[in-house]
Amino acid sequence: AQKVTQAQTEISVVEKEDVTLDCVYETRDTTYYLFWYKQPPSGELVFLIRRNSFDEQNEISGRYSWNFQKSTSSFNFTITASQVVDSAVYFCALSEGLRGSTLGRLYFGRGTQLTVWP
Amino acid sequence: EAQVTQNPRYLITVTGKKLTVTCSQNMNHEYMSWYRQDPGLGLRQIYYSMNVEVTDKGDVPEGYKVSRKEKRNFPLILESPSPNQTSLYFCASSRRDTQYFGPGTRLTVL
Repeated sequence: AQKVTQAQTEISVVEKEDVTLDCVYETRDTTYYLFWYKQPPSGELVFLIRRNSFDEQNEISGRYSWNFQKSTSSFNFTITASQVVDSAVYFCALSEGLRGSTLGRLYFGRGTQLTVWP
Repeated sequence: EAQVTQNPRYLITVTGKKLTVTCSQNMNHEYMSWYRQDPGLGLRQIYYSMNVEVTDKGDVPEGYKVSRKEKRNFPLILESPSPNQTSLYFCASSRRDTQYFGPGTRLTVL
C-alpha cells in the first residue's frame, strides 16, 4: 500500500485562481515528517517545506500555505492567486525519521501536475 | 556555490555493461540519497546514507549498489544494467531536512 497518496494526477487552473493539492499519508509512527517538493518544467527538484508530526500549526509563506491535519492524515498545499510560474509537478513525501534525523527512508507520492493558464 | 553534481547527465548503454553514476556535494552534508523518477510512479528512493560507511536500502534497491567511503561522494553502481533501469536518476544531500538535489542523470539501457 502506498504510504503517500496524491490522488490528483493533474490539475489545471487559470491564473489568479486558488488551488489546493491534496496529500494523504499512512504511518504507524507517532513521530514522522512530511515534505513538499516542486519540480518545474526545467526538471530540477526544489524543497518547499517540512512539517513535524508534533507540530500541527499551519504554515504560510507568501502565496503558499500548508494545512496539516493529523485527524485525517492529510498535509494539503494551497497556492493562493496562482501564477503561470507555479506550473510544475508537486510531490508530497513522508519520512519516519531515523537515528534522530528527520530524513532516512523517504516515501514520495506520485506527484500532481499543476498547470496554470494565463 | 553550494551544489550537488552528478555525472554523466545523459547515458545510453547496453544491457549488462557495468556503469557508475557519480554524485558529489560540497556542503559537508551527512545525509545523501538516490532516487529514480519514472512516469506515473513519481520518485522512488533507491538507497540512502546517513553518514560515511552507513548506507540503507530505500524502496527499490534491487539491481543497484552504493558506497559511501567519504562524505562528499555517493556513487550509484549498476553492476548489470537492464532495460527496466531506464529512468531519470536524482542524487540529493541534506544536513537537516532541506534536501538539495542534483540536476539528474537520464539513463537509457538498451
